[in-house]
Amino acid sequence: DTAVSQTPKYLVTQMGNDKSIKCEQNLGHDTMYWYKQDSKKFLKIMFSYNNKELIINETVPNRFSPKSPDKAHLNLHINSLELGDSAVYFCASSPRGTGEQFFGPGTRLTVL
Amino acid sequence: SQQGEEDPQALSIQEGENATMNCSYKTSINNLQWYRQNSGRGLVHLILIRSNEREKHSGRLRVTLDTSKKSSSLLITASRAADTASYFCATAMDSSYKLIFGSGTRLLVRP
Repeated sequence: DTAVSQTPKYLVTQMGNDKSIKCEQNLGHDTMYWYKQDSKKFLKIMFSYNNKELIINETVPNRFSPKSPDKAHLNLHINSLELGDSAVYFCASSPRGTGEQFFGPGTRLTVL
Repeated sequence: SQQGEEDPQALSIQEGENATMNCSYKTSINNLQWYRQNSGRGLVHLILIRSNEREKHSGRLRVTLDTSKKSSSLLITASRAADTASYFCATAMDSSYKLIFGSGTRLLVRP
């Protein structure tokens, strides 16, 4: 019954590997987001989808590719992982464009 | 570049005291939101104030917005140990879906 869920919660991997993080929301929201929070707690938007359509694509390396199979799911695939990709990645959703956002618990990615 | 800067970066108070956090931003906004993040958790929405509003209350929270100074403040009254968390302001510009987060204030409420 968790509103926004992410899997896995922790991800430890070697440099150069490819990994995916999954996100699902059961709130019926149209818009979903991926954020990256670095070690200094700075939170930055990466991508946003509205009804499966990409609407925000910040300056993110093209090794990061979001995929939205339906409006309840937004996955993040990362190719050729680098040390600098280590961070906590948060998924979020919102019912309206400029309204409150509901965040998942985060995925802590550690690249060794 | 980052839209919001928060002040102070860290705040330590005694239970029962009030806590005030400030946020400044750079461009015109549609609304400003405050979020709380407990250690190791996701962010939780606290309150949203629109650009045409000056003050808003929610329980022990009071938010003010001064668009002429491009600043907002969050006041938590009668703080509790459970209020210990990081607090972030976030701004939404015009009708954009994008939220720009501030740098956060780490609040410690000592029992």
